[in-house]
Amino acid sequence: DSGVTQTPKHLITATGQRVTLRCSPRSGDLSVYWYQQSLDQGLQFLIQYYNGEERAKGNILERFSAQQFPDLHSELNLSSLELGDSALYFCASSPQRGGATNTEAFFGQGTRLTVV
Amino acid sequence: GENVEQHPSTLSVQEGDSAVIKCTYSDSASNYFPWYKQELGKRPQLIIDIRSNVGEKKDQRIAVTLNKTAKHFSLHITETQPEDSAVYFCAATDSWGKLQFGAGTQVVVTP
Repeated sequence: DSGVTQTPKHLITATGQRVTLRCSPRSGDLSVYWYQQSLDQGLQFLIQYYNGEERAKGNILERFSAQQFPDLHSELNLSSLELGDSALYFCASSPQRGGATNTEAFFGQGTRLTVV
Repeated sequence: GENVEQHPSTLSVQEGDSAVIKCTYSDSASNYFPWYKQELGKRPQLIIDIRSNVGEKKDQRIAVTLNKTAKHFSLHITETQPEDSAVYFCAATDSWGKLQFGAGTQVVVTP
């Protein structure tokens, strides 16, 4: 167990719908990352939050948005879902206290999203 | 932004042989280089990492080397075993702490 919790584990929804994926980072970790992994593909960086603020953005679609709350948990919102959005969505957290960028990142077990 | 390239994309080795995976990065300010192992359908797991102030780190059968001048780092697995079969990802953090991954290497260890 990495200490990073993602809910739900599985999600099946129809095209056009909206879903929210949730991530609770390890205790004390300030930084949260979101990644998308399609079948047999790599880890595509979506977005990073640090202590409630957006830190970096990757190839995140305009239909997707995220936020990090004061208690440091994060949510990834996916709207107007398409078949191609079916993937594993991982979040990871890292301490990065004091602005340090060389701290370990640990992954949650992922949310498997299936759009039908 | 940071760009991480990883080679090879697939690697087949005989049990007991060594496996080497190589990565290059573009951001000279990068200071942290972790390696992850991912089994099918599971989360990536951190197996070893190296920071920019050292050139080599070893943990039992795995080792990582870093060449900051050339901006490349490598994972070495010795005495490979069937349970080493997985996808391995290298990564680098840029000056903002963004963790960028390579495309992954599928390692197959045949008995």
